[in-house]
Amino acid sequence: AQSVTQLDSQVPVFEEAPVELRCNYSSSVSVYLFWYVQYPNQGLQLLLKYLSGSTLVESINGFEAEFNKSQTSFHLRKPSVHISDTAEYFCAVRAKGTSYGKLTFGQGTILTVHP
Amino acid sequence: DTAVSQTPKYLVTQMGNDKSIKCEQNLGHDTMYWYKQDSKKFLKIMFSYNNKELIINETVPNRFSPKSPDKAHLNLHINSLELGDSAVYFCASSQDRALAGGPTDTQYFGPGTRLTVL
Repeated sequence: AQSVTQLDSQVPVFEEAPVELRCNYSSSVSVYLFWYVQYPNQGLQLLLKYLSGSTLVESINGFEAEFNKSQTSFHLRKPSVHISDTAEYFCAVRAKGTSYGKLTFGQGTILTVHP
Repeated sequence: DTAVSQTPKYLVTQMGNDKSIKCEQNLGHDTMYWYKQDSKKFLKIMFSYNNKELIINETVPNRFSPKSPDKAHLNLHINSLELGDSAVYFCASSQDRALAGGPTDTQYFGPGTRLTVL
């Protein structure tokens, strides 16, 4: 079984400041890792994912996440946030080699960007 | 065009009633899912269907019955609604080639259905 812990339930920051949203996971098998974003009153959208290869993955809107196997972490970072980044962010894992796509989610982190 | 759609968006009903939530995807995917997001925003998978066949059935009360008339639709029927069923229910789909040993495919989520049981 897998579990995901997002260490911060809420992260307030000012516009143009850097931000890091923390995610740790536990699993007895290798996993794929994901970050999803949920804007107010909308469904979840995939932000980025790590499947294999380079441990640093990037999204098209400036977010990046680094897979750290030894620390079982997949923290999400952005060097300069915008008001439009205000949303809830979910970290998720899926066990490799399993049948079909059962995602295990963390509890979510609400990112609020203030002007 | 909406990739994964759900109806209704909001559903308010009394305890004991039976209700259904519909989900449709136009992505040509083989696998569909239902997730429940509780009041603490915790998302948990309920069911998954692949080509109309049930493949994931988490510990969910028998009052919840998914139905997949074809691989583009996965509906969720809930009998004898209880207060604790109040949540946001998300449908998702993916192509899912995991069994072939290739990379997992992205799950695309619908906008959610907010169910309130009074």
